[in-house]
Amino acid sequence: EAGVTQSPTHLIKTRGQQATLRCSPISGHTSVYWYQQALGLGLQFLLWYDEGEERNRGNFPPRFSGRQFPNYSSELNVNALELEDSALYLCASSLQGSGAGGPDTQYFGPGTRLTVL
Amino acid sequence: QQQVKQSPQSLIVQKGGISIINCAYENTAFDYFPWYQQFPGKGPALLIAIRPDVSEKKEGRFTISFNKSAKQFSLHIMDSQPGDSATYFCAATSAGGTSYGKLTFGQGTILTVHP
Repeated sequence: EAGVTQSPTHLIKTRGQQATLRCSPISGHTSVYWYQQALGLGLQFLLWYDEGEERNRGNFPPRFSGRQFPNYSSELNVNALELEDSALYLCASSLQGSGAGGPDTQYFGPGTRLTVL
Repeated sequence: QQQVKQSPQSLIVQKGGISIINCAYENTAFDYFPWYQQFPGKGPALLIAIRPDVSEKKEGRFTISFNKSAKQFSLHIMDSQPGDSATYFCAATSAGGTSYGKLTFGQGTILTVHP
């Protein structure tokens, strides 16, 4: 079974541009999560989408946005790129969000390395 | 209150030794505590996870110990191998509230196992 896939692997942009990152969840998974892993800052939660809706959002400015498509794939958009947006962006998926049985295990993709020059 | 504090930042052990990584949390709403292993250039991979209704969970060489009253949990790697050399992250999440659906990660521990 294929795992979480992300594209592109690497992305180089200049300050002020927009970046679009894409994620395909594990087949059957309906929830998609986005995390930022910046050097020295660890893994920070960005966004959670489930069944096409935004369910939770981390402490990031509105220029970080995303959406989930009917096939449960997702994209993350970062507008007005700043130098400090350079990071590894990780997507994870789970069978469902935190349901009655508790949080579902999140499985991570390999990430997209975004470099802002 | 949302933080998860992880220690040590780095750890060096000899092959065959025991690696111990500790985490502490403040949010009593957390009810699921996974550990992830990350190799360079890869995404984090789930290693083992525990819920607060048990005090210990073992899977192969990996054991989580959980102390609910102290709000602490730890990962023990028995018989550590060079292939275990990676960065380890503890995390926590809850089934409701502001932590709903999101993993709050510790700062990570870089483990090096010398042959």
